[in-house]
Amino acid sequence: GAGVSQSPSNKVTEKGKDVELRCDPISGHTALYWYRQSLGQGLEFLIYFQGNSAPDKSGLPSDRFSAERTGGSVSTLTIQRTQQEDSAVYLCASSLESRRYRGNQPQHFGDGTRLSIL
Amino acid sequence: RKEVEQDPGPFNVPEGATVAFNCTYSNSASQSFFWYRQDCRKEPKLLMSVYSSGNEDGRFTAQLNRASQYISLLIRDSKLSDSATYLCVVNETSSASKIIFGSGTRLSIRP
Repeated sequence: GAGVSQSPSNKVTEKGKDVELRCDPISGHTALYWYRQSLGQGLEFLIYFQGNSAPDKSGLPSDRFSAERTGGSVSTLTIQRTQQEDSAVYLCASSLESRRYRGNQPQHFGDGTRLSIL
Repeated sequence: RKEVEQDPGPFNVPEGATVAFNCTYSNSASQSFFWYRQDCRKEPKLLMSVYSSGNEDGRFTAQLNRASQYISLLIRDSKLSDSATYLCVVNETSSASKIIFGSGTRLSIRP
């Protein structure tokens, strides 16, 4: 498909385990974002990748969270030693961003990964 | 003060009614603005961008008031399918790394 693809769609794991979430952005989109959303709440920014630039990690809530983007395409978000408060929907978005159109391009979201920590 | 604020609602209006809601933002240097809609337990989807001169897309009209630092969304002849949460999105810089999502306004259209 042509949209943003996330996997897994659902993940249930025990407290203390590590989890890895994957995002495959729209082909050609250089900007990639990770957010999380708790039930009934707004989107919480986590991390932003743009091309080969250093990622903006200002939204990561703790050092248990990390993300990487290999080859400027697929991204993985890793949560180590999961806690119950990490339970949320993790959303990935990508956008077409260029030197000319910085910040003016809308984001396209994947379906999200629903993470439940027991 | 929150960077982007929305009335959480819910707005409960009858089918066919016109409904409008606003979103205020705190950074006067904000550069681009969007409305997204999010259905229950689904991902946000772009509804429309908001241009300085205001813009319309069918039954939806978006406006920007830079002096008062708010954007608005007007929905005419509302349909049952318009029921959703509407998210205001503001980009505070030109680098796209400072994109702020509002918490959303919940709209419910009743028959």
